[in-house]
Amino acid sequence: EDQVTQSPEALRLQEGESSSLNCSYTVSGLRGLFWYRQDPGKGPEFLFTLYSAGEEKEKERLKATLTKKESFLHITAPKPEDSATYLCAVCLTGGGNKLTFGTGTQLKVEL
Amino acid sequence: GAVVSQHPSWVICKSGTSVKIECRSLDFQATTMFWYRQFPKQSLMLMATSNEGSKATYEQGVEKDKFLINHASLTLSTLTVTSAHPEDSSFYICSARSTGEYTDTQYFGPGTRLTVL
Repeated sequence: EDQVTQSPEALRLQEGESSSLNCSYTVSGLRGLFWYRQDPGKGPEFLFTLYSAGEEKEKERLKATLTKKESFLHITAPKPEDSATYLCAVCLTGGGNKLTFGTGTQLKVEL
Repeated sequence: GAVVSQHPSWVICKSGTSVKIECRSLDFQATTMFWYRQFPKQSLMLMATSNEGSKATYEQGVEKDKFLINHASLTLSTLTVTSAHPEDSSFYICSARSTGEYTDTQYFGPGTRLTVL
């Protein structure tokens, strides 16, 4: 059965304290892995797409990496405005372009 | 670019009434749109895939006669919750698929909070 698991469920960081969020997946065939950010009461905001193992993408303080079993979202020197829930989703080969979401990591960055 | 809007952003209705939610891709055309619902503290659950000009494909356990989907143009999909009941109260979010030579990404709308009294 295809599975997407995110860890930790919640993470509290001090401003400037770098860390990583994990998304592990067990799927029959991966077309792409997506990272989104979701603020309370809003729709997810697109961050990155990764298509193949070894691929990396960066945007400001965020960097996403992909292996054959998992993806990491590295947050360097986070700021309070980075506080949000970060969602990982996979699109499967033969899956009709549907996304399967993980349960998310709720990040809080404190001053 | 890749902006998706939803209307209304919130709606309160009485039990038994029907509610229509619109999803628009503002600066791109989307042959495929998706409808999700999200309960508090939970992740997004796909309800259905909406394809322009054809019938929607519903996920297992989603009643197609209750959640009517129409994708009449390349920029508009609508979700109608028919005969709504309190258990239909939720956060409904749409997404639109944007494809390019090297990309294939779903962009999400801001969501619609439905409360059924």
